[in-house]
Amino acid sequence: EIVLTQSPATLSLSPGERATLSCRASQSVSSYLAWYQQKPGQAPRLLIYDASNRATGIPARFSGSGSGTDFTLTISSLEPEDFAVYYCQQRSNSITFGQGTRLEIK
Amino acid sequence: QLQLQESGPGLVKPSETLSLTCTVSGGSVSRSSYYWGWMRQPPGKGLEWIGHISYGGSTYYNPSLKSRVTISVDTSKNQFSLRLSSVTAADTAVYYCARLTVAGTRFDPWGQGTLVTVSS
Repeated sequence: EIVLTQSPATLSLSPGERATLSCRASQSVSSYLAWYQQKPGQAPRLLIYDASNRATGIPARFSGSGSGTDFTLTISSLEPEDFAVYYCQQRSNSITFGQGTRLEIK
Repeated sequence: QLQLQESGPGLVKPSETLSLTCTVSGGSVSRSSYYWGWMRQPPGKGLEWIGHISYGGSTYYNPSLKSRVTISVDTSKNQFSLRLSSVTAADTAVYYCARLTVAGTRFDPWGQGTLVTVSS
């Protein structure tokens, strides 16, 4: 099983700041990595797929990069609605999710 | 716009079988370019993939749950279902259904989720 490790566990930032979230795979997943946003009481929402492609309707401030074992989700300038939990997911070998990064308001 | 909706009992007794159905609207489960999946999320914890199914009935399960899971599809009702046997308190979670690309690279969209509590 491929393990996805997300860091940091919690990220405290202010609106307008840049957020950088990391997802590291225990072995290469090529570019088969997706990112999701989850707000309290809601289902996850797809943000990024295939490491760097924005899903339909996702604002341009969200971007993804990386390949192999190291991936990054960047939010260029945080809006109040961006504070949530973020998960990465791979499908290279079975399907697994990372444990999540909580993005909180500082 | 494609929408998914989970339904089923919110309370299941230990050792019994959990059964949930996902109803798809605004699209067809028979589209060959997609799979249909189930995930769960214990309270306060992260996401776990349970498994997924093609419209033709091919199934793929999480190895850690494989012995207890059955996913099926009913194309006539545009639904797919989850059965999880021999449940314990550890199976208490919000259960989500979602569409998965055949490449398996992304789940989108998701249902709103349904909380299933395992308790006597």
